[in-house]
Amino acid sequence: DAGVIQSPRHEVTEMGQEVTLRCKPISGHNSLFWYRQTMMRGLELLIYFNNNVPIDDSGMPEDRFSAKMPNASFSTLKIQPSEPRDSAVYFCATVGRRYGYTFGSGTRLTVV
Amino acid sequence: GNSVTQMEGPVTLSEEAFLTINCTYTATGYPSLFWYVQYPGEGLQLLLKATKADDKGSNKGFEATYRKETTSFHLEKGSVQVSDSAVYFCALSPYQAGTALIFGKGTTLSVSS
Repeated sequence: DAGVIQSPRHEVTEMGQEVTLRCKPISGHNSLFWYRQTMMRGLELLIYFNNNVPIDDSGMPEDRFSAKMPNASFSTLKIQPSEPRDSAVYFCATVGRRYGYTFGSGTRLTVV
Repeated sequence: GNSVTQMEGPVTLSEEAFLTINCTYTATGYPSLFWYVQYPGEGLQLLLKATKADDKGSNKGFEATYRKETTSFHLEKGSVQVSDSAVYFCALSPYQAGTALIFGKGTTLSVSS
């Protein structure tokens, strides 16, 4: 298995633009988590899904952030409009019996 | 609520020195405990885990023992190498299946030769 796949690896965008981050979980992993990592705040859980259903989105900073999981093999995290303070590394992680809790390599987002 | 507290970094050591990174937790129920490692530019990788009290997790020379009486899960290694330089995260998973890991803020380890 290729593991958790995130795209793009790096994204540079201008303030106000829409940004979409993508995640492909490990096949058979039923839970998916989006985290944000910054120097100041460390790792923050934004939202997680069980069996494609959002369970807890209390970590989503504000209405500019939205996440979807239309099927078991794909999830997106969207920021619209983006702001410089959204600059961070965004990680997707999935958990299942086969490999336990597994992280993707992350998307480094820079908003200028 | 559930939370993890780990020692502030950075930790700077010479090669072959002994390493301890402290981690304590607050949790309801019986959580599982983890140490993750993050190398520069990469995602987090599971280093070791323990699922019940008195369990010892070990991997690559690193060890940590689940101590319920002191609510601790300290990471240790007897002799660090330059290649161990990374950020280390302590984490807990609440008892309920399918819930998110809760992470400490991370401790940066820098090992020089």
